[in-house]
Amino acid sequence: AQSVTQPDIHITVSEGASLELRCNYSYGATPYLFWYVQSPGQGLQLLLKYFSGDTLVQGIKGFEAEFKRSQSSFNLRKPSVHWSDAAEYFCAGEQGGSEKLVFGKGTKLTVNP
Amino acid sequence: KAGVTQTPRYLIKTRGQQVTLSCSPISGHRSVSWYQQTPGQGLQFLFEYFSETQRNKGNFPGRFSGRQFSNSRSEMNVSTLELGDSALYLCASSTDVYNEQFFGPGTRLTVL
Repeated sequence: AQSVTQPDIHITVSEGASLELRCNYSYGATPYLFWYVQSPGQGLQLLLKYFSGDTLVQGIKGFEAEFKRSQSSFNLRKPSVHWSDAAEYFCAGEQGGSEKLVFGKGTKLTVNP
Repeated sequence: KAGVTQTPRYLIKTRGQQVTLSCSPISGHRSVSWYQQTPGQGLQFLFEYFSETQRNKGNFPGRFSGRQFSNSRSEMNVSTLELGDSALYLCASSTDVYNEQFFGPGTRLTVL
């Protein structure tokens, strides 16, 4: 079955520190991959997406993600975290054309001053 | 361009009742998907509509249904509400070109 796994439920970093959120996928073929962010009481905002091509994807708010086929991973990174980045982050996969996103359980990010 | 809108934002119902949630997609978007978000199960796909036709369906009981109108607006209905239906229901729309989905703020349903 198609699945997306986020191994870290909660991560705490200090403001200004670098960040890496992990995401692994299990699909028969390479899926479309996405990272979304959700602030409390809000919907989901798309940070970045990977469909094909360049494996390093740039997104909004200074985020980037790297697709690694050999590791079935799509980790999200940011070189310097800001307090406003505190939120919950979701990795999602979609078998091309299905319009059905499969989400990981999410990683809650806390940023210490 | 206006984003995805969902109404109402909050609902309180009692067990056994039914509820209808509404979603207006971004103008020009013809695909609308619905997701349920709960603390225990996370985000789960309910169904997806395109041009008034249901194209995909998740693993939810028949009490969950939906429809899409000719203007792409969509509604989902839950009948015979159960306590476990308490959740944030999110709607997303896309152009069905690169499958990038844009989410609305959600409807928070509480079943008492």
